[in-house]
Amino acid sequence: AQSVTQLDSHVSVSEGTPVLLRCNYSSSYSPSLFWYVQHPNKGLQLLLKYTSAATLVKGINGFEAEFKKSETSFHLTKPSAHMSDAAEYFCVVSDLFGNTGKLIFGQGTTLQVKP
Amino acid sequence: EAQVTQNPRYLITVTGKKLTVTCSQNMNHEYMSWYRQDPGLGLRQIYYSMNVEVTDKGDVPEGYKVSRKEKRNFPLILESPSPNQTSLYFCASSSRTEYSNQPQHFGDGTRLSIL
Repeated sequence: AQSVTQLDSHVSVSEGTPVLLRCNYSSSYSPSLFWYVQHPNKGLQLLLKYTSAATLVKGINGFEAEFKKSETSFHLTKPSAHMSDAAEYFCVVSDLFGNTGKLIFGQGTTLQVKP
Repeated sequence: EAQVTQNPRYLITVTGKKLTVTCSQNMNHEYMSWYRQDPGLGLRQIYYSMNVEVTDKGDVPEGYKVSRKEKRNFPLILESPSPNQTSLYFCASSSRTEYSNQPQHFGDGTRLSIL
């Protein structure tokens, strides 16, 4: 079975400092991985996706993630946090079994950005 | 503008009173699905639909019904709502080609409170 684990439920950084949100995955196959962001009272917005083309994936708003097969990780980073980055972030793996299209979500990480 | 529209955005109702949450997408997507979001659990899939008249259960289908009579619409029906269905609900859609690689577009969510 496939799963993702977000290692931190809450991360707090100061504006202008780097962001690291950690995600480990479990999959018997080469996974399709995504990061989504959810701002308050809003739906989920795709930040970036990994589908085996390149291990370093660049997304929107300066975010990027690196797929490391040896560590089964897909951590999300940003060099310099902005106040508008405060939100909840989800690491997601696509369910490859049965071709259901289902997305399997991690528990989420709340990012707080302090002035 | 490409979007997934859910209505209502907020609803407070009582146990046993049938309700329908509508979902409409304007991207001509074949695939649509419903998720519920609960604290600490991320999002879990309720039902999905591969195309018109093709629906199937997700991970937490109990107490819900869906229909897909038109490509653009995918309503979620709670025939006899109960308090354990109090949650934040999201509708999502994506194009059919290679479900596992396609990011899904999400609506802004419907917050249901069942008293």
